[in-house]
Amino acid sequence: NAGVTQTPKFQVLKTGQSMTLQCAQDMNHNSMYWYRQDPGMGLRLIYYSASEGTTDKGEVPNGYNVSRLNKREFSLRLESAAPSQTSVYFCASSEGAAGRHEQYFGPGTRLTVT
Amino acid sequence: AQSVTQLDSQVPVFEEAPVELRCNYSSSVSVYLFWYVQYPNQGLQLLLKYLSGSTLVESINGFEAEFNKSQTSFHLRKPSVHISDTAEYFCAVSDGGYQKVTFGTGTKLQVIP
Repeated sequence: NAGVTQTPKFQVLKTGQSMTLQCAQDMNHNSMYWYRQDPGMGLRLIYYSASEGTTDKGEVPNGYNVSRLNKREFSLRLESAAPSQTSVYFCASSEGAAGRHEQYFGPGTRLTVT
Repeated sequence: AQSVTQLDSQVPVFEEAPVELRCNYSSSVSVYLFWYVQYPNQGLQLLLKYLSGSTLVESINGFEAEFNKSQTSFHLRKPSVHISDTAEYFCAVSDGGYQKVTFGTGTKLQVIP
């Protein structure tokens, strides 16, 4: 039982390049989330998927897109990376709404945009 | 709108001493409160949560937090810390929905041998 897995662990991009962060969970959870963590700012929600087939914007969605590929997988895409997107990205999943249920987090992806 | 304040960015404490990590929140609706812990180079893990019922909630590793509605606080306490408790602790508040989980800025607990 791997929980929540993320790939890659580290990535360096040049400004304007694109990439996709992958996330998968094996807990049969309905809901999945993408957060970014920046020093002194806590975690901020980028996008979430309440259930398979649905996605919604969070607090900081600009510059990102997501795909809920199936119940297990939820990917985050940066179409044209900017230095402001340098951050640590966490994927999380929960059985139901994050406001009532425990969220399980992946190990994170450290992204640097130069 | 809801918000969370963790005033202490770092808290150094000697091993076996007690510790309190402070968390204050503001919300216009009923709240659900969480403490998550992040060990170095790992994702966050749930430590404990308050949804309803008893205002004192406990974790399996000796931490406890008390929901104080009048003080709008949810401080985390442990009577005797261990080196393994060294981590960053995040308080979070929610209205129970999917996207309204607001995390605090975190408090780094440094346990000194």
